[in-house]
Amino acid sequence: QVQLVQSGSELKKPGASVKVSCKASGYTFTSYAMNWVRQAPGQGLEWMGWINTNTGNPTYAQGFTGRFVFSLDTSVSTAYLQISSLKAEDTAVYYCASHGGGDYWGQGTLVTVSS
Amino acid sequence: DIVMTQTPLSLSVTPGQPASISCKSSQSLLHSDGKTYLYWYLQKPGQPPQLLIYEVSNRFSGVPDRFSGSGSGTDFTLKISRVEAEDVGVYYCMQSIQLPQTFGGGTKVEIK
Repeated sequence: QVQLVQSGSELKKPGASVKVSCKASGYTFTSYAMNWVRQAPGQGLEWMGWINTNTGNPTYAQGFTGRFVFSLDTSVSTAYLQISSLKAEDTAVYYCASHGGGDYWGQGTLVTVSS
Repeated sequence: DIVMTQTPLSLSVTPGQPASISCKSSQSLLHSDGKTYLYWYLQKPGQPPQLLIYEVSNRFSGVPDRFSGSGSGTDFTLKISRVEAEDVGVYYCMQSIQLPQTFGGGTKVEIK
């Protein structure tokens, strides 16, 4: 069965970087795009963008350019979200999601930014 | 960006009673391919969102038939014919006709 398994919670200081992973299984990784969605504490869902898993070409939503980078390692069927120069307002749960051939979401990764 | 507006913000429903959530988009979600790219998700506490309805009115695999979606253009509705305890959570509508994909603000459903 299709699964997206994300890396565990992270506690980071302001100014640091974090890299969240999303490992896919149960389907051909390069068949479907990977999306990233942010959910701040107690808030709604915000689409951050997506990455073409065939070409590696990322598309970022406004507000997620510059410090946010989507990347892939197709050899291990894994997508990554890296956030640099972390700020307190980056504290959120980050989800990866694939909508091709179904609708699949990772379990979410809580990133907490606090001094 | 397309703005998705959901009402109400919250609902408290007696088990077995119906519930209805409205979603309005700032632009038509009808694509030239004839499809309308409006989706409904339920996010249960502590879980990722799960797809209920795609393209306005199609129930996703495994979704009980007490859930139904309707609407067209810019006005959409999700109905639960008889709310059950397991239906608690936050419901979101989402559009994908235009990037960025955007979500409604959510409707929290709780049981009385």
